[in-house]
Order: sequence, then structure tokens, then C-alpha cells
Amino acid sequence: EAAVTQSPRNKVTVTGGNVTLSCRQTNSHNYMYWYRQDTGHGLRLIHYSYGAGNLQIGDVPDGYKATRTTQEDFFLLLELASPSQTSLYFCASSDAGDGSDYTFGSGTRLLVI
Amino acid sequence: QQQVRQSPQSLTVWEGGTTVLTCSYEDSTFNYFPWYQQFPGEGPALLISILSVSDKKEDGRFTTFFNKREKKLSLHIIDSQPGDSATYFCAASDTGNYKYVFGAGTRLKVIA
Repeated sequence: EAAVTQSPRNKVTVTGGNVTLSCRQTNSHNYMYWYRQDTGHGLRLIHYSYGAGNLQIGDVPDGYKATRTTQEDFFLLLELASPSQTSLYFCASSDAGDGSDYTFGSGTRLLVI
Repeated sequence: QQQVRQSPQSLTVWEGGTTVLTCSYEDSTFNYFPWYQQFPGEGPALLISILSVSDKKEDGRFTTFFNKREKKLSLHIIDSQPGDSATYFCAASDTGNYKYVFGAGTRLKVIA
């Protein structure tokens, strides 16, 4: 079954720390996305990619880097984590079809103390 | 920034009742509107979607309505069940753009 797998499921880091969130999809989808979910804001797009080596800036990119190493793998990097980045992070994938729908992972809950 | 406004923020409904969630948007280029359902501890999952060429789409107990003139859409859940308790997100995009803009979500609780 097609899936989007995120790791870790939970992460605690200190302010200024370095964090990498991982996402792997087995959907053979071209597009992958990183969102953060916060109460009152819904889902906000951080970065996305339409293929290996490609990176597009989303709506809330500050403080985040991302890298798409293969069609399957998309990473989100926080190089100097701040408490404002405490959030629930979701990865998603979609096909490069007619605006086909997203398949989301189960999320990574990040706490920056 | 493009916005999709969703209301209410939270809602409690009795089992068997009808739930109505609404969204409005600003960008006239949006032509595709999915609704996602999210249970605690899980990622959102597609519930139902509608294109702007339609004004209504039904899937079992779930119906979404679209009003292009007013730039509004709604999700109706008839015979609401405790298992429908979840957070619901509306989203919008144009079909040439693979980015969605999401609403802030509605947390629904259905009481037996």
C-alpha cells in the first residue's frame, strides 16, 4: 500500500540545536511537501519539491532548510532550532497529475526547549 | 498571502444531528477544493473534494457545496456519528498549482 512514513515520531531538542526530520514515500509521487500544523493556523507550507534535487520555497520557510535526495526521500532541517518551531510537522506527497490529492504521513511532534 | 477562512473553530453536535462546516476564500483562481479529515495522532486524509465547475458533491453522509459567486464552500454531515469526531480542514488550489492553501480547521465532537 502506498504510504508516507515520517521519522522520528517525537523529538525534543534544545534551543540552538540541530534537527533533521525525515520523510519517505512509496507512492511514486513526484511532489513532496513539508507542512507545520499549529492551533489556529491549520497547515502551513514550509517547503516543497517536485523531484529529486529540486526545492521550492513555501509560505513559512524562515528557519528551515529542506533537501530532496531521491524521489522517495525528503528531509526538513532545522539548523538552529528555536522554541517558535515547536510544532507538529507533516510530510505529504502528491502526483504531478491534475492537482491530485495529498497523502500525508502521521506527523512528527517537535518540542524545542 | 492567500487565505482560506474556516468556521467554526470548534463544534459539538449530538449523534444523529447534521453538522455544517464552512469556508471562504479570496483568490478567484482557486478551482479545486478538497476537505480533509484528521483523527488525533494521524495525518489528514482526503474526505471529499469538489471542482469549481460543480456546485454539489455527495459521498454517503458527506456532502460538499460550492458557491462560486460568494467564494464559499461548505461541508454537511448528516446523521453525525461519534466516529466522525475529528478535525476537518478545507483547502483550495488551482489545478495548475500543486500547493494547497488550508483553512485553520474545525474540531468536531459528536456526542452520543
